[in-house]
Amino acid sequence: DTAVSQTPKYLVTQMGNDKSIKCEQNLGHDTMYWYKQDSKKFLKIMFSYNNKELIINETVPNRFSPKSPDKAHLNLHINSLELGDSAVYFCASSRLYPGGTEAFFGQGTRLTVV
Amino acid sequence: AQKVTQAQTEISVVEKEDVTLDCVYETRDTTYYLFWYKQPPSGELVFLIRRNSFDEQNEISGRYSWNFQKSTSSFNFTITASQVVDSAVYFCALSPFGNEKLTFGTGTRLTIIP
Repeated sequence: DTAVSQTPKYLVTQMGNDKSIKCEQNLGHDTMYWYKQDSKKFLKIMFSYNNKELIINETVPNRFSPKSPDKAHLNLHINSLELGDSAVYFCASSRLYPGGTEAFFGQGTRLTVV
Repeated sequence: AQKVTQAQTEISVVEKEDVTLDCVYETRDTTYYLFWYKQPPSGELVFLIRRNSFDEQNEISGRYSWNFQKSTSSFNFTITASQVVDSAVYFCALSPFGNEKLTFGTGTRLTIIP
């Protein structure tokens, strides 16, 4: 059973389109995240949700909108895609309370904007 | 502000050699977590270790060992008797205690030559 799963794994789309990436975790964690990995492999947090509440929003363009329908899901919707949005997007989850756990990552979604 | 520096961009060693990956961090927090993640060519992020700032004991797990030195703000990772399967990009990361937002270093690409 995959602990953190994201779909799709690959996404190729044209500039200006709107697309979504879905993420689900079956670990019972209370916190989920989106990270972006650019072409130079640099990883940076975008958003964090704890029990469906947004707790971290790291200076991300408002074309990116996360949505957490429940604790086990955190989807990422991107409007008006731009060439610079091309990257690998990782979903992750962890437990913050009680005690903390390490973050478990999904396999990543490689987004290519053409 | 938090910062993680992995000064070694790329390292190549011959199989069975030992190799150490350096990680230096900066934080104003008195309590925090340090992590290492492995990203093999397949692209997923694999958790290797989490260490909290209270615990400066070194850790060994099979061929892997970690040296945490608070005095020098370093958390180095050594692979003993390297194998081809160790070829990957390795990321060091830092998180405030109680907040699992990860700040990643830029990664070290390790290539093991058969």
